[in-house]
Amino acid sequence: GESVGLHLPTLSVQEGDNSIINCAYSNSASDYFIWYKQESGKGPQFIIDIRSNMDKRQGQRVTVLLNKTVKHLSLQIAATQPGDSAVYFCAESRPVHGSSNTGKLIFGQGTTLQVKP
Amino acid sequence: DAGVTQSPTHLIKTRGQHVTLRCSPISGHKSVSWYQQVLGQGPQFIFQYYEKEERGRGNFPDRFSARQFPNYSSELNVNALLLGDSALYLCASSRTGGSLGSPLHFGNGTRLTVT
Repeated sequence: GESVGLHLPTLSVQEGDNSIINCAYSNSASDYFIWYKQESGKGPQFIIDIRSNMDKRQGQRVTVLLNKTVKHLSLQIAATQPGDSAVYFCAESRPVHGSSNTGKLIFGQGTTLQVKP
Repeated sequence: DAGVTQSPTHLIKTRGQHVTLRCSPISGHKSVSWYQQVLGQGPQFIFQYYEKEERGRGNFPDRFSARQFPNYSSELNVNALLLGDSALYLCASSRTGGSLGSPLHFGNGTRLTVT
């Protein structure tokens, strides 16, 4: 089926270090991307989004970088904390077939971030 | 404000049975989407509803159906359950357009186990 690719299934970092989670997408026409965090037993939680007319967007301790040339997306987490341990998904928004104003998200398989104290 | 709420949180069914899952969107959100998340994978799109009309459907069999009510809440129905339907079913809401230009906000899902 449709999917967005992620480079690493698991990333282990030391508390206080910076984390970088990568994602590759396939549809060069996609113009909206979202990062989600999913903790065990919970639904995906919105972290940050970016539109294709930008190449960088910053939030609180998080930065998303978009490289449209190579169709690559990354999420950077500064000063990683134990509470950041979760599965991180990048998602690509695509129009629903036959509709110009409704969309669906195509998710990658996720990267598990483990933060070592 | 309350987020997206789903019920029940857990459900165990037998093969061949049917199931109804319920979702209440965030207040003011008119679009509801349903996703299926199999263990170890990312969510897969099932349906999107906006203003009580189906606006999109993913690659799922006709055993899956849904509807949206005048108060924008939604139900997902699955008939003739198969073992492979065991998954976390996620509901998400957005103000308009179901993720085109605005993020989806997810509930915590219903964990369905088919035995």
